[in-house]
Amino acid sequence: QKEVEQDPGPLSVPEGAIVSLNCTYSNSAFQYFMWYRQYSRKGPELLMYTYSSGNKEDGRFTAQVDKSSKYISLFIRDSQPSDSATYLCAMSLSNFGNEKLTFGTGTRLTIIP
Amino acid sequence: EAQVTQNPRYLITVTGKKLTVTCSQNMNHEYMSWYRQDPGLGLRQIYYSMNVEVTDKGDVPEGYKVSRKEKRNFPLILESPSPNQTSLYFCASSTRESSYNEQFFGPGTRLTVL
Repeated sequence: QKEVEQDPGPLSVPEGAIVSLNCTYSNSAFQYFMWYRQYSRKGPELLMYTYSSGNKEDGRFTAQVDKSSKYISLFIRDSQPSDSATYLCAMSLSNFGNEKLTFGTGTRLTIIP
Repeated sequence: EAQVTQNPRYLITVTGKKLTVTCSQNMNHEYMSWYRQDPGLGLRQIYYSMNVEVTDKGDVPEGYKVSRKEKRNFPLILESPSPNQTSLYFCASSTRESSYNEQFFGPGTRLTVL
């Protein structure tokens, strides 16, 4: 069993829809949870960062962490074609700069105009 | 512009022919890493470096070498590439001065070993 599980998709939704992306994990020691966005032919870039359980909102994006269920989610409201990308969840034990990140396999998302 | 650069972006080579992929960052970051990205397996860390002359193995180090002689550069060396090293490679950097461990990734190097 992988330490972090993520549905690879692909996921296609119409423009304006709410998108829900999810990851589950097995290591209860993870404390920091991230979502990276990766456009085609580019490197991943950090989109959202959350510590421990709870919600965090940034514009159209909301990250949720449920540590009791070992489940994290990313919601995208009013989705736009520019949101089409692969979304990678990642998590770590600490927030030290050298701390290893454990990534999910990524979900490929397409927003249809 | 703050960035991580990698060269080459695309490389096709043959089994056994030594190659080096360069990585450079201009953010004065202490930490640098190499990852490979494969379908169904996601991003896996190959090697990382905490500072100049300090390197350590990640999850999949077999068949790779690294060096960190300067803070800004972290080349990845494949001394005898094999077809199972065909992959998309990313260099990344991060800093202890951040309140969270954001990784800054380069644009990637797509390697094909025939």
